[in-house]
Amino acid sequence: QKEVEQNSGPLSVPEGAIASLNCTYSDRGSQSFFWYRQYSGKSPELIMFIYSNGDKEDGRFTAQLNKASQYVSLLIRDSQPSDSATYLCAVGQGGFKTIFGAGTRLFVKA
Amino acid sequence: DAGVIQSPRHEVTEMGQEVTLRCKPISGHNSLFWYRQTMMRGLELLIYFNNNVPIDDSGMPEDRFSAKMPNASFSTLKIQPSEPRDSAVYFCASWLGIGNEKLFFGSGTQLSVL
Repeated sequence: QKEVEQNSGPLSVPEGAIASLNCTYSDRGSQSFFWYRQYSGKSPELIMFIYSNGDKEDGRFTAQLNKASQYVSLLIRDSQPSDSATYLCAVGQGGFKTIFGAGTRLFVKA
Repeated sequence: DAGVIQSPRHEVTEMGQEVTLRCKPISGHNSLFWYRQTMMRGLELLIYFNNNVPIDDSGMPEDRFSAKMPNASFSTLKIQPSEPRDSAVYFCASWLGIGNEKLFFGSGTQLSVL
């Protein structure tokens, strides 16, 4: 079992719709949770982080965490073509170690 | 700040050759990470350092891989001998420390082993 699992996609949504990206993790001791965005040929960049159960909103992005279910999600409202990228879920396992999922490819159709 | 600097940007080599990838972290960042990214396996953590000391190298795939951090401003990842299955993008990332959420990634080194 992979430590961080994501559906590879691609996930295709029309412009203006809500994109929902999901992630599960295996280590119950994980303490911090991140979403990175990676454009093709570029390096990952952090867009959201969450530590506590519940929702965290930042602009068009909402991260959701459910530690009991070991589940993290990212919602992107009013999706734009510029949101088309690979979204990487990452989990901090305490201290310095951050483990990434393989990523979900998102396409936003204009 | 120039960010995390990696070199070379692209490396093409033949099987059996030694490959050395280089990384300069952001000044003041205490931790440095080496990741490898492929389509099949995604972004894998190979090794990370804190204050120049290797903390966890359990992700290093084989003894052919080695990494060093001789000082706070420089790290290398070496593959000797290289094999075609080592072809991937290798990222270096640095981190300021606990209380700071963001990993800062370099631009990566695209390695092709023929």
